[in-house]
Order: sequence, then structure tokens, then C-alpha cells
Amino acid sequence: DAGVTQSPTHLIKTRGQQVTLRCSPKSGHDTVSWYQQALGQGPQFIFQYYEEEERQRGNFPDRFSGHQFPNYSSELNVNALLLGDSALYLCASRPGSGLSYYEQYFGPGTRLTVT
Amino acid sequence: AQSVTQPDIHITVSEGASLELRCNYSYGATPYLFWYVQSPGQGLQLLLKYFSGDTLVQGIKGFEAEFKRSQSSFNLRKPSVHWSDAAEYFCAVGVREYGNKLVFGAGTILRVKS
Repeated sequence: DAGVTQSPTHLIKTRGQQVTLRCSPKSGHDTVSWYQQALGQGPQFIFQYYEEEERQRGNFPDRFSGHQFPNYSSELNVNALLLGDSALYLCASRPGSGLSYYEQYFGPGTRLTVT
Repeated sequence: AQSVTQPDIHITVSEGASLELRCNYSYGATPYLFWYVQSPGQGLQLLLKYFSGDTLVQGIKGFEAEFKRSQSSFNLRKPSVHWSDAAEYFCAVGVREYGNKLVFGAGTILRVKS
């Protein structure tokens, strides 16, 4: 049973560019959340997708946007990159119902470096 | 607003010694609490969780945690630490009103000396 997978593993971009990160949820999971983890900090919630719609959003600017596809996979897009966007981006998935509803499983993350 | 405090940024223990990592939370309702572990360059692995019931919960790798409502705490413990336990540990509270988003503490880095 594959867990949460993310691609790419590492990414280097220049200020002002745009980036797309991808996530495939754990089998049986239909809800995907994205978190940003800056160096030396705990993860911060960006947003959550369920049924192809953004359901919850954290305190992040509109430069951060996302998408969820019918197969439950998800993308995180960041426009007009800033140096401060350099971080580990984590994807987490959980089922939309059932006993594991409150458990989130994380992928290995994508390390984004903005120069 | 919900928050999680992990007062210790770094902790160093000797291999074989006991471990306790502290976590305090602020949340208006009955909390759902989690401990995750992160090895360098890796994602987060769920160690254990508390939803309700017995306040002492067992997790993977020999870890346990105790929920104390009166102290708003959820401390992580292990009786005997192994060198492979060296990692960063995060406490988190699940916010049910916001799709169970997780609010994390800043983490505690555990170093194990032989």
C-alpha cells in the first residue's frame, strides 16, 4: 500500500517565478492538505482540498493556490516566488469519513529553494 | 486561537536513559492530539494520537503519551531511548472546526549520546 507521494523531491527556482508541486494521497484517502515548513519551524497549514474544492485555508496569500483532481491527487501552485517561500512543502492525506478521519498521513515533502 | 507550545528546543539524553518531551496546547474544546517524528530531510511520521478515553496512549517505537486536561498537556515519554530515536518531534492539535487541520508546535530536537 503506497503512502503519500510527492514530486519533485527538490526544486530550485528564482524570485518571481512560478512553481507547481504535486501530491498523490494514500490509497483510500480523499482529503488532501498542504503545509509549509520553514527551516527550524513546525509545519504551517496552507489549505485543504476535498471533492475538488478548497475547503479550509490558512493564513497564506493568494499567491498560493491549489487544485484537486478527480483521482484525489493535488497540486500546490505558488506564483511570484519570494525568498521567504523557501521551505519544505508537505502534503498530508486522510479519509473523508470513518475511524481514521482525524489521522493525517504525510508525504516526504518537496524542498523548495528560491534564489 | 489554537496554539501548541513545546518549551524545549533541544534535548540531549544518554542512550538507555528515559525521555520526556513536553507539550502544552490551547484549544477551546476537547482536543485531538498527536505526536509526529521527523528525521532529517524526511516527512512526518505519526507516533501516537489521543482522541478520547484512556488518557495514557501507546504509540509506535515504544513511545507513550499522557493527556492531562487540567494542565493542558500531552507529554511524550519513552522509558529507554535508542540512538535511532534521534530526530525532531512535533506535537500537534487537530482543529475540528477547520477540517481537522493540524496546528503544530515548533518542535523539539532530540539528541542521543552514547
